[in-house]
Amino acid sequence: GDSVTQMEGPVTLSEEAFLTINCTYTATGYPSLFWYVQYPGEGLQLLLKATKADDKGSNKGFEATYRKETTSFHLEKGSVQVSDSAVYFCALNTDKLIFGTGTRLQVFP
Amino acid sequence: GAGVSQSPSNKVTEKGKDVELRCDPISGHTALYWYRQSLGQGLEFLIYFQGNSAPDKSGLPSDRFSAERTGGSVSTLTIQRTQQEDSAVYLCASSSYQGRYNEQFFGPGTRLTVL
Repeated sequence: GDSVTQMEGPVTLSEEAFLTINCTYTATGYPSLFWYVQYPGEGLQLLLKATKADDKGSNKGFEATYRKETTSFHLEKGSVQVSDSAVYFCALNTDKLIFGTGTRLQVFP
Repeated sequence: GAGVSQSPSNKVTEKGKDVELRCDPISGHTALYWYRQSLGQGLEFLIYFQGNSAPDKSGLPSDRFSAERTGGSVSTLTIQRTQQEDSAVYLCASSSYQGRYNEQFFGPGTRLTVL
């Protein structure tokens, strides 16, 4: 069946460091891919999405490119801030969302 | 309303009791989804509705779980004879239509604790 695999956390970084959170997927058909973020004490929010191969989603300085050849959708940010500390979920959508296990990011000043 | 709302925000119940969780989707959204977030299982799909019908119930963990949606709006998730393993945060989401391109907007969740 369809599935999403994310790197284990927590990821601990200093402010202004470069961030990569790896995400790979297995799917039949042609899913859309999403990154959702859950800030402490808050609900899930869409961070970015890509609907077809080679699409790049971006928001708030975060980017991810839909790579069909490697079945990946890695999340990147060039310079993280303390306010980026949260749990990040990669997900695919065929007709419902299939989530990865989530990666906790902790950014220290 | 401005967003998806869920009630109650917290529910503590005793093992064996029934509980009802409510979701109010964004006005005009035809698709509604239930998910469960637990420590051991991460975020799991339970069921979705398109209008009042539920084409996919594949994620419901047992026949103790059921859900309905009336008037194409409010949905209720019912758990009968609750067990401790049902303890989790139950999330509701809605989208303007059902499909793989569409963003789902999530509510704040109901935290269920079964003693």
